Amino acid sequence: EAQVTQNPRYLITVTGKKLTVTCSQNMNHEYMSWYRQDPGLGLRQIYYSMNVEVTDKGDVPEGYKVSRKEKRNFPLILESPSPNQTSLYFCASSLGRQGRYGYTFGSGTRLTVV
Amino acid sequence: QQQVKQSPQSLIVQKGGISIINCAYENTAFDYFPWYQQFPGKGPALLIAIRPDVSEKKEGRFTISFNKSAKQFSLHIMDSQPGDSATYFCAASNTGGGNKLTFGTGTQLKVEL
Repeated sequence: EAQVTQNPRYLITVTGKKLTVTCSQNMNHEYMSWYRQDPGLGLRQIYYSMNVEVTDKGDVPEGYKVSRKEKRNFPLILESPSPNQTSLYFCASSLGRQGRYGYTFGSGTRLTVV
Repeated sequence: QQQVKQSPQSLIVQKGGISIINCAYENTAFDYFPWYQQFPGKGPALLIAIRPDVSEKKEGRFTISFNKSAKQFSLHIMDSQPGDSATYFCAASNTGGGNKLTFGTGTQLKVEL
């Protein structure tokens, strides 16, 4: 089954404790993105990657890092999480640019930073 | 700065009625306009999309209407069903936008029996 897999689904952590949210896709998509979803703000792009070793900032990159060492994986790293990073996070992948062929989203990671 | 404005924030429709969600955009370089549907606990899923060279696209009970001069587009759900209850997001992107979809703020639709 074609899918984007995120782990973990739920995470509660403390301020300052480094964490990684993993994302993997099995569709051989070149393009991958991370979004955060907040009430009243919709989905906002954090980082995106157009291919292995090619990443760039989205609208809200502060406090986040990403890497793309393999085509299928695109982890999101929070080096020093803060409470304002409490959110619902989605990883997505796409065959084409700008999601023209449709983004496939993961099921989300609900992160709480206390 | 919200580049894609979506309304209403929430919507209640009776079964069999028509649900209408509206979006307006500012960036005239946008050239791809998808709608995503999200059920609780799930990620958004592509529902239907349109390009600005057509004014309407229909897939089953779902129709996108597009008004290029007004920079507006809307989603119409005909014969709305309880199973359509979900959050709907409009989005927009442009060539050279670096694989970036700009999303609206979402509309929570509830279809009542």
